[in-house]
Amino acid sequence: AQTVTQSQPEMSVQEAETVTLSCTYDTSESDYYLFWYKQPPSRQMILVIRQEAYKQQNATENRFSVNFQKAAKSFSLKISDSQLGDAAMYFCAYRTLLGDNDMRFGAGTRLTVKP
Amino acid sequence: NAGVMQNPRHLVRRRGQEARLRCSPMKGHSHVYWYRQLPEEGLKFMVYLQKENIIDESGMPKERFSAEFPKEGPSILRIQQVVRGDSAAYFCASSWFPDGSGANVLTFGAGSRLTVL
Repeated sequence: AQTVTQSQPEMSVQEAETVTLSCTYDTSESDYYLFWYKQPPSRQMILVIRQEAYKQQNATENRFSVNFQKAAKSFSLKISDSQLGDAAMYFCAYRTLLGDNDMRFGAGTRLTVKP
Repeated sequence: NAGVMQNPRHLVRRRGQEARLRCSPMKGHSHVYWYRQLPEEGLKFMVYLQKENIIDESGMPKERFSAEFPKEGPSILRIQQVVRGDSAAYFCASSWFPDGSGANVLTFGAGSRLTVL
């Protein structure tokens, strides 16, 4: 079974600074997808960034980038130039490459941005 | 594209009543997933359906919970004889196959919050 672990229940960052959210996962698969989702107070889950495990290059999306360490099964999210609107719950998620499997989420990290 | 639509957004039920939560997937999506989010916890998978088929219900409680995704209309998550422990946010997500890659990136609805008094 695949499990996703986010060891930081809460994180805080000063506006305009950089913060890194940690995520580790456990799988026996060699190919899979990893995601970071943002959940603002509205409870809508928003896809922030996606990484295909077979790609060595770390995914980036504007101020969001990941540090994907496949051997270590680590998938951290870096938010640069943090903004007040970045404050939210962030969920790391895993999905297998093949089949119609469900997505497995971590428990989430609550990010607070201080002005 | 209206996205994944869930309704009602908020539902209040008394213990013993029935709760029905609806999910209309994104246009063109034929896969629906239901998740439950308990307070201070992550999303927990409940059930995965394709139209007229339950593919994986390994996360569904054995009793009182059921789900369907008919040929026409939204997917329904039904909870019979609700108890206080059923109070939670229930998220629906739908998926498609982007670029033929097979990556079923989920698009989530805004969730339905069930409160059992």
